[in-house]
Amino acid sequence: QVQLQESGPGLVKPSETLSLTCTVSGGSVSSPRHYWGWIRQPPGKGLEWIGSIYYSGTTFYSPSLKSRITISVDTSTNQFSLHLKSVTAADAALYYCARWAVGSSDAFDIWGQGTLVTVSS
Amino acid sequence: EIVLTQSPGTLSLSPGARATLSCRASQSVASNFLAWYQQKPGQAPRLLISGASGRASGIPGRFIGSGSGTDFTLTISRLEPEDFAVYYCQQYGSSITFGGGTKVEIK
Repeated sequence: QVQLQESGPGLVKPSETLSLTCTVSGGSVSSPRHYWGWIRQPPGKGLEWIGSIYYSGTTFYSPSLKSRITISVDTSTNQFSLHLKSVTAADAALYYCARWAVGSSDAFDIWGQGTLVTVSS
Repeated sequence: EIVLTQSPGTLSLSPGARATLSCRASQSVASNFLAWYQQKPGQAPRLLISGASGRASGIPGRFIGSGSGTDFTLTISRLEPEDFAVYYCQQYGSSITFGGGTKVEIK
């Protein structure tokens, strides 16, 4: 059974870089049938897609966040990561990592439990 | 970027009732790449429907997705107590975007 687990600092200072990692267990980030993505949810609000990555390193980013984000994948550790630079209070949210099934559901079919990120000095 | 508008914002219904949730896209969603998710408090979203009408693994038959183009609907034929939650639609055609959500609450 595939499971995803987010990890990273829960507190980031304004203007600094938010860095999160998602560890995949029970499956492989090298699977050609899946993309791996990041989605966030500000407290009490809706979902926002941040970006996704394929095992080859191909990335797709949200147009509104593209200038500030980098998503990478490490097949040796079975992890993928998110880096969001120059954070502000608007970036405070619950950050989820999720698996996207290509060609089958074409949706996020497995999600991590999420990690809460606060932006404060 | 395709904007998804969900309505109503809140749906107040009794267990056993039929729920009809709407998701309207600002432009046609390619190949009906439209999904529905359920989110309960303190939990991650769960995939219910993909491809506009295909139920995900383990999803009960009372969850029915329909629609095409710009208008999509999620119907819950008879609400069970565990169905009271927030529901989001999401499109994958032009980038990936989510709707604002519909909360189904107990009346």
